[in-house]
Amino acid sequence: GIQVEQSPPDLILQEGANSTLRCNFSDSVNNLQWFHQNPWGQLINLFYIPSGTKQNGRLSATTVATERYSLLYISSSQTTDSGVYFCAVPLTNAGKSTFGDGTTLTVKP
Amino acid sequence: DARVTQTPRHKVTEMGQEVTMRCQPILGHNTVFWYRQTMMQGLELLAYFRNRAPLDDSGMPKDRFSAEMPDATLATLKIQPSEPRDSAVYFCASGLGTGLGGLFFGEGSRLTVL
Repeated sequence: GIQVEQSPPDLILQEGANSTLRCNFSDSVNNLQWFHQNPWGQLINLFYIPSGTKQNGRLSATTVATERYSLLYISSSQTTDSGVYFCAVPLTNAGKSTFGDGTTLTVKP
Repeated sequence: DARVTQTPRHKVTEMGQEVTMRCQPILGHNTVFWYRQTMMQGLELLAYFRNRAPLDDSGMPKDRFSAEMPDATLATLKIQPSEPRDSAVYFCASGLGTGLGGLFFGEGSRLTVL
């Protein structure tokens, strides 16, 4: 099945810094999603982005499907950005759902 | 504001007891997923349904777990008998069958089996 790899596994930032999280996937996909799991455990949709670029406030994401990777950009990070960021292929052609292991982000004040 | 609703939010029970978790998917979504999250295993897919039919439950321990969709507005995940190793957060998510638009998660049911 499709493998989803995220990097880095852990990231510590000072408030105000920018960061880039990466997601590599092993096969072509027609759906890809980024989630943020906050410290309370809620899984929040950030982007549904099988291709192209989207922006939402300080966050943006780009997926280059032909090269099998996606990037999540966080600008001017805030302490509330802390948590785990997951990249996922919600539904593969084989009918499977695959999540990466996540990037744990800690933003320090 | 459409959302996936899960109950109970928290459940503490003793080993051997039956546990039932419920999920109301977003209206119009025809695909429902059950995931389990633990510190050790991350997010594991247990089962998923499309148009109420189970498509894949290979991630679910068959001897004690069962998942059903009695109707389009309700999905259930049952554990009988429960064991301490079942302690985890169980998430339900819903989406469109094609995967387009992505998945939307409920807030999870935190299960503790003593």
